[in-house]
Amino acid sequence: EDQVTQSPEALRLQEGESSSLNCSYTVSGLRGLFWYRQDPGKGPEFLFTLYSAGEEKEKERLKATLTKKESFLHITAPKPEDSATYLCASHRGGSQGNLIFGKGTKLSVKP
Amino acid sequence: DAGITQSPRHKVTETGTPVTLRCHQTENHRYMYWYRQDPGHGLRLIHYSYGVKDTDKGEVSDGYSVSRSKTEDFLLTLESATSSQTSVYFCATKPNSGGANTGELFFGEGSRLTVL
Repeated sequence: EDQVTQSPEALRLQEGESSSLNCSYTVSGLRGLFWYRQDPGKGPEFLFTLYSAGEEKEKERLKATLTKKESFLHITAPKPEDSATYLCASHRGGSQGNLIFGKGTKLSVKP
Repeated sequence: DAGITQSPRHKVTETGTPVTLRCHQTENHRYMYWYRQDPGHGLRLIHYSYGVKDTDKGEVSDGYSVSRSKTEDFLLTLESATSSQTSVYFCATKPNSGGANTGELFFGEGSRLTVL
């Protein structure tokens, strides 16, 4: 069964304290791993696409990496405005672009 | 911003009543999706559409129907609402330029539905 599992469920950091979020996947025929950010009361907002092991993408304090079994979202020197829920997703095996989402990691960054 | 508008944004209804949620987009995107988001489950696909009058089921389609009579509008209907359908519903679209493997979706702001 296709699955996307995120850990931890919640992460509390002090401002400037770097850390990583994990997304492990078991999807037949991986066709991309995607990261989203979701603020409270809002819809998810697309961040990154990763297609092959070893690939990295960066945006401000965020860097996403991909291995054959998992992806990491590294947050360097986070600020309170980075507080959000981060979702990862992948294509459901055999589907025409339908995504399966993880349950998310809720990140809180305290000043 | 893909110009996605969901309505209503909030609705409280009673068990057994019909409910229709509307998604309107201004980007002429071919693919549109309805997801529900619940604590402990994350986002789950209900139905999706790949063109006018072309729709298909997602992983949690029981109790829901959809219609797409125009490119810009995608309607989600609960024929007889149940308490288990209390959720936040998100509409999403996929850019036409991305190709089949793109994972970039644009989401609306969500519709919070409470079924008493």
